Amino acid sequence: AQKITQTQPGMFVQEKEAVTLDCTYDTSDQSYGLFWYKQPSSGEMIFLIYQGSYDEQNATEGRYSLNFQKARKSANLVISASQLGDSAMYFCAMREGVGGSNYKLTFGKGTLLTVNP
Amino acid sequence: EAQVTQNPRYLITVTGKKLTVTCSQNMNHEYMSWYRQDPGLGLRQIYYSMNVEVTDKGDVPEGYKVSRKEKRNFPLILESPSPNQTSLYFCASSRGLAADTQYFGPGTRLTVL
Repeated sequence: AQKITQTQPGMFVQEKEAVTLDCTYDTSDQSYGLFWYKQPSSGEMIFLIYQGSYDEQNATEGRYSLNFQKARKSANLVISASQLGDSAMYFCAMREGVGGSNYKLTFGKGTLLTVNP
Repeated sequence: EAQVTQNPRYLITVTGKKLTVTCSQNMNHEYMSWYRQDPGLGLRQIYYSMNVEVTDKGDVPEGYKVSRKEKRNFPLILESPSPNQTSLYFCASSRGLAADTQYFGPGTRLTVL
């Protein structure tokens, strides 16, 4: 079973509108972290936002917020007021456990977001 | 500026010709890792290192070697590259804490003919 599922291969949004990118995860660990990265066409991986499993508040970073629903095991990324520069591939990732020796990130397959003018 | 650097950014080589992709970070991070990204497969971890002289295999280590002689550097070595190692490679680093963000290098696009 996939540990990170991103069900939307592609999404379109109009400039200045908000968009939600879906991410569900599967883990039996009590302690884990959830990340979102942006990969523009130039290829680099840009960190956007982080949510810890014990964080009670949803994480926010500027125009990015993470809608964390622990019982549903979902960690959706919300981008408010979309800009043309937001057009990119977006990856949800999870790091399981705490105190382990490998902080490996497990990535979803990504969602390609296109912002239309 | 805090960053992870990789060199080269692009490389075309032939089967069997040994190559090294360098990775360096200036953030004094303990943890470093290599991933490869392939269409339809996403990013998969190759090797990781918790600190100097401490390395271990990730999910897809076959055909790769790493070393961690200095804290800032974590080179990826392909002793005898094959076409199935054609991929986009990323180096990442973070502090030695589980909650810490991993920062990625700009990527190295490798083609093995």
